[in-house]
Amino acid sequence: QLQLQESGPRLVKPSETLSLTCTVSGDSVNRRNSFWGWIRQPPGKGLDWIGSLEYNGRTYFNSSLMTRVAMSIDTSKNQFSLTLNSVTAADTAVYYCARIRQRFWSGSYVHFFDFWGPGTLVTVSS
Amino acid sequence: IQMAQSPSSVSASVGDRVTITCRASQNINSWLAWYQQKPGQAPKLLIYDVFTLEDGVPSRFSGGGSVTDFTLTISSLQPEDVATYYCLQTNPFHSLTFGGGTKVEI
Repeated sequence: QLQLQESGPRLVKPSETLSLTCTVSGDSVNRRNSFWGWIRQPPGKGLDWIGSLEYNGRTYFNSSLMTRVAMSIDTSKNQFSLTLNSVTAADTAVYYCARIRQRFWSGSYVHFFDFWGPGTLVTVSS
Repeated sequence: IQMAQSPSSVSASVGDRVTITCRASQNINSWLAWYQQKPGQAPKLLIYDVFTLEDGVPSRFSGGGSVTDFTLTISSLQPEDVATYYCLQTNPFHSLTFGGGTKVEI
């Protein structure tokens, strides 16, 4: 059964770097044509896509965050990771990792999140 | 592409039909999914490709629409359907974008 679990520091100081890891069980992060993603949700607000990571390491980022974000895959540990630098209080959120299902539909490839981790609240505060 | 949901919240009785709307700022063809999020939980995939129910999702949920206007309908609201619902534009070439959410209460 597929499971994803986020881990990392729950408290980060302003201007520092947020680092999270998602451990996957029940699937392989280097399975051909697999995609993996990060989404965040500020307290009491809606969902924001942060970025996606292809099995071969190719990345796709939300344009609003792309100057501060990086993602990587560790196939030896079956994990993928998120780093977000120069954080501010506005980056306080529940961070979710998720598996992406890719389909060819209505003339294009589409991506949507079919399995999610439980999420982890990261607070940016001094 | 921006995704706008309405209403932002709705209160209905058990057994009522509830319809939520998601409007895209430009043509997104049929690239749309719906999620249900209960308090303190991660979102759950309900519908993808506008109208295809994910395995295990009750048949009282249905999706429709095309181009810019889409709907999620709960045909007979149940107590366990209390949640916030989000639409998602699913074409990665236009960036994956969620709607602002609709809170459904009884």
